[in-house]
Amino acid sequence: AQSVAQPEDQVNVAEGNPLTVKCTYSVSGNPYLFWYVQYPNRGLQFLLKYITGDNLVKGSYGFEAEFNKSQTSFHLKKPSALVSDSALYFCAVRWLYNTDKLIFGTGTRLQVFP
Amino acid sequence: DAGVIQSPRHEVTEMGQEVTLRCKPISGHNSLFWYRQTMMRGLELLIYFNNNVPIDDSGMPEDRFSAKMPNASFSTLKIQPSEPRDSAVYFCASSLEGGASQQYFGPGTRLTVT
Repeated sequence: AQSVAQPEDQVNVAEGNPLTVKCTYSVSGNPYLFWYVQYPNRGLQFLLKYITGDNLVKGSYGFEAEFNKSQTSFHLKKPSALVSDSALYFCAVRWLYNTDKLIFGTGTRLQVFP
Repeated sequence: DAGVIQSPRHEVTEMGQEVTLRCKPISGHNSLFWYRQTMMRGLELLIYFNNNVPIDDSGMPEDRFSAKMPNASFSTLKIQPSEPRDSAVYFCASSLEGGASQQYFGPGTRLTVT
């Protein structure tokens, strides 16, 4: 069955330091992978996606993610964190080839300290 | 574009009352999704439509919940009768058809059932 896991409930990082939010997946076939961010009292916002091609995907707000097929991972990264990056981050994988359904992870709360 | 529009933004009702949540997807999008978010259960997909037809309603909790999409620009999620455990934030999202397309989320409706 398709699934996605975010092993960390919370990640703490100092402003200016690099950040990583982890995501691993389990799919049959080639995955479509997504990252979303949720700010307080807001809906989820799309950050970036991996469909095919270059394993390093760049997205909004300076975020990027690296697709690693051998490790079945799709970690979200940013070279220098900002306090304004503090939010809830969700990884998602498309369910099956013939559906638009996404399976979301449980979310990781990122806290960036000044 | 105005994005996905949801109404009302907040709803407080008493147990046993009928609740109707509304959603207007982004124009041109032909897939529409209803999600529920709680602290305990995280983000859950309730139902999704493609070209106004329900495709997967396996996430609808029970018969008290129903969803309709009478046309491409409007959908409703109804709870009748409502119960305190239905208290949550309900999100509507839309996307273009095709698994590579990202979903665009509305701001959500915060439902409180007393």
